[in-house]
Amino acid sequence: QVQLVQSGAEVKKPGASVKVSCKASGYIFTSYFMHWVRQAPGQGLEWMGVINPGGGSTRFAQKFQGRVTMTRDTSASTVYMEVSSLRSEDTAVYYCVREGGDSSLDHWGQGTLVTVSP
Amino acid sequence: DIQMTQSPSSLSASVGDRITITCRASQGINNYLAWFQQQPGKAPKSLIYAASNLQSGVSSKFSGSGSGTDFTLTINSLQPEDFATYYCQQYNSYPLTFGGGTKVEIK
Repeated sequence: QVQLVQSGAEVKKPGASVKVSCKASGYIFTSYFMHWVRQAPGQGLEWMGVINPGGGSTRFAQKFQGRVTMTRDTSASTVYMEVSSLRSEDTAVYYCVREGGDSSLDHWGQGTLVTVSP
Repeated sequence: DIQMTQSPSSLSASVGDRITITCRASQGINNYLAWFQQQPGKAPKSLIYAASNLQSGVSSKFSGSGSGTDFTLTINSLQPEDFATYYCQQYNSYPLTFGGGTKVEIK
C-alpha cells in the first residue's frame, strides 16, 4: 500500500532554514508527482509547490518562489522540501501529498510540524 | 489564481443527519475538483476526485456532484467520526487552491 512517511518535528529560529523529508513506498516513486501543502495553526490548507520525482522539475506557488527548494533522491524514494529565511509566519504543519494517476491528490504524509520561534 | 469559496464555514448537525456543503470556483475548472476530510490533529484524507468519484476505500455515504463552477459534497447518515473539517480543492490549473473549509460539529 502507498505510504508517505515524513521526518520529525523541527524548531528553528527566524532566519534559519529547515529541510523536511518524505519517504515514499508501495508504488513506483518516479511515476507520480509529489506536492507539498502546509497548514498554519488553526488555518486552512495552502499549496506550496510540486516536484516531478522522475525528472526533478519543480513548480512553486508565487509566494514561495525563491525561498523554497524541492529535491528528490530516487535511490531512497525520498523527496525533500527546504524553506529558507524562516519567519514566524512559516510555523505550520507541512504535508507531502502524492498526485495520483487522475491528477488528484490521493495520499498524504502524516505531516511535519515546523515551529519558528526566537 | 482560481478562488475557491466554501459555504457554510461551519454547521451543526446531529448523528444520522444528511448534510450538504457547497464549493464555488471563481472560474470554470472542468470538474477537476476534489474533496478532503480532516479530523482534528490528523492529516487530511482524500474523499472524492473529479467532482463525483470516490477515492478507493471511501464510504459510499459520501457523494459529490456539480460541474463548471458549482459543486457540492453530501454526507448521508452522519456518524461521530464524520464530524470534521471538509475542504474542496481545484486542480484544473496551478496554483492549486483550496476552499477555506467547512467545520461540521455535533449539535
